[in-house]
This record gives sequence, C-alpha cells and structure tokens, in this order.
Amino acid sequence: NAGVTQTPKFRILKIGQSMTLQCTQDMNHNYMYWYRQDPGMGLKLIYYSVGAGITDKGEVPNGYNVSRSTTEDFPLRLELAAPSQTSVYFCASSSRDPGGNQPQHFGDGTRLSIL
Amino acid sequence: AQKVTQAQTEISVVEKEDVTLDCVYETRDTTYYLFWYKQPPSGELVFLIRRNSFDEQNEISGRYSWNFQKSTSSFNFTITASQVVDSAVYFCALSEADAGGTSYGKLTFGQGTILTVHP
Repeated sequence: NAGVTQTPKFRILKIGQSMTLQCTQDMNHNYMYWYRQDPGMGLKLIYYSVGAGITDKGEVPNGYNVSRSTTEDFPLRLELAAPSQTSVYFCASSSRDPGGNQPQHFGDGTRLSIL
Repeated sequence: AQKVTQAQTEISVVEKEDVTLDCVYETRDTTYYLFWYKQPPSGELVFLIRRNSFDEQNEISGRYSWNFQKSTSSFNFTITASQVVDSAVYFCALSEADAGGTSYGKLTFGQGTILTVHP
C-alpha cells in the first residue's frame, strides 16, 4: 500500500548542479503533479501531467523539466540548481473522474537545499 | 485567476477550545472544488474534505465541521474540542473545472494556518 513514493527525502546541492527528483505511484492514477512549498507559504504547482506522454506547465515552471514515459513515474529535473530553488517538493497524484476533481494523494516530500 | 486567502497565519488555543480556520477564495468559474488539507509536524499532506460549488450543505465529521457559503466565497473549518494532536498547518485549496467538468485537478493553495493546541 505504498501510494505516492518520492526519493530522495533530503538532498543538498551546490549551485549549478543538476539532479532528478523521483516520484512513482502505484494507484494507476492518470493525473500527477509537482508542487513546491517555500517556508511559511502554501504549495505552488510546478508541472502536471494528465497521462503518459502529456505534461504541461503550472504556476512556477522556470528552472524545471518533467517527463512522463509511464503512468507510474513522473520525475522532476533541476538542470542548473539555484538558491531560489531551495524548497520542499511534493509529488501528488489523483484519478480521473469526469464527475469532479478527485482529492490528490501526496508523497512525503523531498527537502532540497541549494548552497 | 483563482486565489485562496487564509488570513490567519497562526492560531494558538488551549485544549478543548473550539477553533475556526477561515478560508476565502476568488474564482470566475461557476463550477469549482474546494479542499482542506492538514500538514502535521511530520510534513506529509493529509486530505480532509472536498466540496463542489453546487453543494452548499455544511458537513460534520466527528470533531470537524465545514461551513461553505458561496455568498461570501468562504469555506471555513471548525474544530470542536481541540486536541494536541490537531496541531498542524491547515491548507485550504481551490480547483476550477472547465466546460467538461474537470480541470485536471490543479490546486491553488492558500498560504496555510498554523494551529497550535496547548495542553
């Protein structure tokens, strides 16, 4: 009963380095999302995907890239890490329901610090 | 553009007190969905409730209750007889629906209210 799994849980990067945050879900959900949560703030949407091969930008996509080659996986890539990307990153998924937006299931988050 | 405002940044109460967390939203759509999530100190996000814009009935679940008023664009959350375990950050969130009835579930969050319940 894993739900949404994110790895790693913590990471420290140097400015200019790149890394990929992994996210996988085992609920066969069509929709997946990446959010970031800055201290004292709510979550902001970075990218989302409505199915394998389909991704789109959210509110704060600059500096990030995503891909969705399978239903289960939705990795988030930082190409050139900047201090402004220090944040907690949450991956989420939800099922497709024409009758209404289903609640999102969230992973436990990845705490990323860029120094 | 949609917006969610949680004006109360922090609330501190003593155990067994009732507490209400305010949420005001802005949207141009007639079809939308409102959510509350809880983020305990451990950091995960826990879904509490979903409400669609056509259902203004208040809801009660144990010590939790929600008051949805479209006239004032508010979706307030009340905890009755608060307990220390209720200490968390609570987020209100909004998702708009397109003409097909879905917006792919994209959420706009408020900034959250930190609730501290003292023993």
